[in-house]
Amino acid sequence: EVQLLESGGGLVQPRGSLRLSCAASGFIFPNYAMSWVRQAPGKGLEWVSTLSGSGGSTYYADSVKGRFTISRDNSKNTLYLQMNSLRAEDTAVYYCAKGGQLGEAFDIWGQGTMVTVSS
Amino acid sequence: DIQMTQSPSTLSASVGDRVTITCRASQSISGWLAWYQHKPGKAPKVLIYDVFSLESGVPSRFSGSGSGTEFTLTISSLQPDDFATYYCQQYNTYSPTFGQGTKVEIK
Repeated sequence: EVQLLESGGGLVQPRGSLRLSCAASGFIFPNYAMSWVRQAPGKGLEWVSTLSGSGGSTYYADSVKGRFTISRDNSKNTLYLQMNSLRAEDTAVYYCAKGGQLGEAFDIWGQGTMVTVSS
Repeated sequence: DIQMTQSPSTLSASVGDRVTITCRASQSISGWLAWYQHKPGKAPKVLIYDVFSLESGVPSRFSGSGSGTEFTLTISSLQPDDFATYYCQQYNTYSPTFGQGTKVEIK
């Protein structure tokens, strides 16, 4: 079964850091781009970042550029999101999704992990 | 970034109704458009990709159409399981963007 399982969310103070993980199973992980998409409370879906299958190409939304870093370990079938300098407006459910390259929809999603930035 | 505008924002309908949701892009996105269904506390689910293509396992009552900058999602006969929020999304650029969502409520 194709599955994505996020972890690492929690409560963090403003200007703090957090690292999210996404464990993938059921498909050949290195063959696919992977992405993070978030949903703030009461808001819609917002794309955050995409990483190519090889890890050689990264893309970020302007709202997180310079603060967040996407990475992957293809030997562990795991995607990461390192979030630094967190702000209240980063509070959201963060979803891991398969896909996101040019011409690619997000065809598999995880259940999400909640990140709350508050003092 | 390409802006995606959905209408309506909220839609009240009854079981069995035909429902249409519209999505307009701020510039041409060729054929790179998807529709997602999202229920509270659940993972979003792709319904339609590449404007027209039905994702495997998705009921045939869902269909997509359009071209250029204007696109529609149609549910031919609304079922109880279809009450949810629907999003369009363009993937014609390296900065994919979503519409603001359309909540389909029970009338």
